[in-house]
Amino acid sequence: AQKVTQAQTEISVVEKEDVTLDCVYETRDTTYYLFWYKQPPSGELVFLIRRNSFDEQNEISGRYSWNFQKSTSSFNFTITASQVVDSAVYFCAIVDSGYALNFGKGTSLLVTP
Amino acid sequence: DTGVSQNPRHKITKRGQNVTFRCDPISEHNRLYWYRQTLGQGPEFLTYFQNEAQLEKSRLLSDRFSAERPKGSFSTLEIQRTEQGDSAMYLCASSSLLAGVLDEQFFGPGTRLTVL
Repeated sequence: AQKVTQAQTEISVVEKEDVTLDCVYETRDTTYYLFWYKQPPSGELVFLIRRNSFDEQNEISGRYSWNFQKSTSSFNFTITASQVVDSAVYFCAIVDSGYALNFGKGTSLLVTP
Repeated sequence: DTGVSQNPRHKITKRGQNVTFRCDPISEHNRLYWYRQTLGQGPEFLTYFQNEAQLEKSRLLSDRFSAERPKGSFSTLEIQRTEQGDSAMYLCASSSLLAGVLDEQFFGPGTRLTVL
């Protein structure tokens, strides 16, 4: 089965620091999709990015960037110049069987002023 | 453009009672999913529909759980004879599948169930 592992349970940083959230995935498929979601204290999951296995280009969106490396089966997420509003639980996920999202356990990020 | 909505947002029930949750997906989305999230864990997939067809239900947690999407629009998730272990957040998501391209899933705010 497809799975992702988020080894970091909790991370605490001071505002303006850069922070990287790790995600390691396992799959036997040659075609697969990876996702990152954010769950702020309000509780609603917010989609951040989707990446398919054919596209190894790194992506940047404002202060967010993603590093996809098939050689290490990793899809890491970096927040540059973190802000208090970035405090949330971040989930990495992989699509299983073409429909189900298999989520990791999440990394809780706390950004303090 | 309205997002995925879920009702009720909170439900408190006594052990042994039946409960039903409703999900209204984004209107143009043909896929609808149910997940469960317990404290400190990521969401766990339960079942999904493509239009009105329930294409996967083997991952429902027990035969006390059932879901319907009668007209391919809203969906309901029912738990019969609730147990304390059913206490969790139940999340609904929707997505579109057009020409075989997998789209991202958009999640609703969830229904938090507490079984006393």
